[in-house]
Amino acid sequence: DIVMTQSPDSLAVSLGERATIKCKSSQSLLYSSNNKDYLAWYQQKSGQPPNLLFYWASARQSGVPDRFSGSGSGTDFTLTITSVQAEDVAVYYCQQYSHTPVTFGGGTKLEIK
Amino acid sequence: EVQLLDSGGGVVQPGGSLRLSCTASGFNFRNYDMVWVRQAPGKGLQWVSTVSPSGDSASYSESLRGRFTVSRDNSENTLHLQMRGLTADDAAIYYCARDKGVNGALVFDYWGRGSLVTVSS
Repeated sequence: DIVMTQSPDSLAVSLGERATIKCKSSQSLLYSSNNKDYLAWYQQKSGQPPNLLFYWASARQSGVPDRFSGSGSGTDFTLTITSVQAEDVAVYYCQQYSHTPVTFGGGTKLEIK
Repeated sequence: EVQLLDSGGGVVQPGGSLRLSCTASGFNFRNYDMVWVRQAPGKGLQWVSTVSPSGDSASYSESLRGRFTVSRDNSENTLHLQMRGLTADDAAIYYCARDKGVNGALVFDYWGRGSLVTVSS
């Protein structure tokens, strides 16, 4: 199975500051046939199911604020929140879907400093 | 509005069985792959199973194969997960979710609220 490693495990950011979450896969998620990275990001707020933020590493799901962005390719990916708001407190997960079984990272908990 | 309503969770003894259900509305259920994802208390996400739109094809996490069976009833817009031989390791919130349906992308754009499964004697 592909192992997804997220860092840091948790981070505390002041309101309005930038938050950066990393995700590293044990194998490349880039398919040369379509030049797409098979990587998604989810946000999970306390007591709620996950919410899809991005797929194909950087394709924003409808309704996701543009302060969120996804980037990276191959084995290294980043989720960035340019100006953290109080409602962004959550655990963020990356997920690969290039190989079965799909696998998730261990999650990064974002808190407000 | 797309909605997924999970049901069927509860407390089951070790070695017991439980059947989870998920009722869909607000979209053409028969056109989408559907999945089960679970989350142990305080832990991360684990994909459990995927079933094709027609229900004639399913895949499972290797560690669960043989104990869990996914099925769907497209006439009732309902997804099921039959779980057998439950152990403490199976205790989790079980979410049903919809595969977004983007070509080649197994990502999940709508989720139910989840069913809590507790395994305890």
